[in-house]
Amino acid sequence: DGGITQSPKYLFRKEGQNVTLSCEQNLNHDAMYWYRQDPGQGLRLIYYSQIVNDFQKGDIAEGYSVSREKKESFPLTVTSAQKNPTAFYLCASKKLGGTQYFGPGTRLLVL
Amino acid sequence: AQSVTQLDSQVPVFEEAPVELRCNYSSSVSVYLFWYVQYPNQGLQLLLKYLSGSTLVKGINGFEAEFNKSQTSFHLRKPSVHISDTAEYFCAVSDIRTGGGADGLTFGKGTHLIIQP
Repeated sequence: DGGITQSPKYLFRKEGQNVTLSCEQNLNHDAMYWYRQDPGQGLRLIYYSQIVNDFQKGDIAEGYSVSREKKESFPLTVTSAQKNPTAFYLCASKKLGGTQYFGPGTRLLVL
Repeated sequence: AQSVTQLDSQVPVFEEAPVELRCNYSSSVSVYLFWYVQYPNQGLQLLLKYLSGSTLVKGINGFEAEFNKSQTSFHLRKPSVHISDTAEYFCAVSDIRTGGGADGLTFGKGTHLIIQP
């Protein structure tokens, strides 16, 4: 089946710890995106990548980092610098000029 | 830059009644418009989109939306709702100049549609 997978479904972070959220797509999409969703806030763009080995900051990039070494993969690292990481994280992808499709999300909780 | 306003954070509706979810946007450039639906603890699913052409757009699950350029609106409607339509609905826009959102979508804060039996 073609689609976007995110893992894990739930992730727990301890104080001062970096954690990495996985996003993989087998749709041959060029662009990939990370959004953060908080209750009542809608979705806010963290980072995006239109091509391998290149990525740009979105509206709320502070405390996060990404890499795009392969077309299929766009992992997001939530660093210890992100002081309020508890949220639902959504990955999306699209062909250039096409429509964004979303993965099932990862819920990050702080212990 | 664009912004999207969904005026209603919650809309309660009785089953089989019609519903309209409102979306207004602000942009200095032409935009594409989208409605997504999110069921609890899941990702977003595309309901419909307006790129060009007819201003009345039909989507999945019996939803439709009408683009009104003069009022900068893209309201979502369904003539008769079902319990299964209970979900969060998001309106979003993208800049036509960036290939339809190559730099990401701008979302409203969402409207929670609550269907009452």
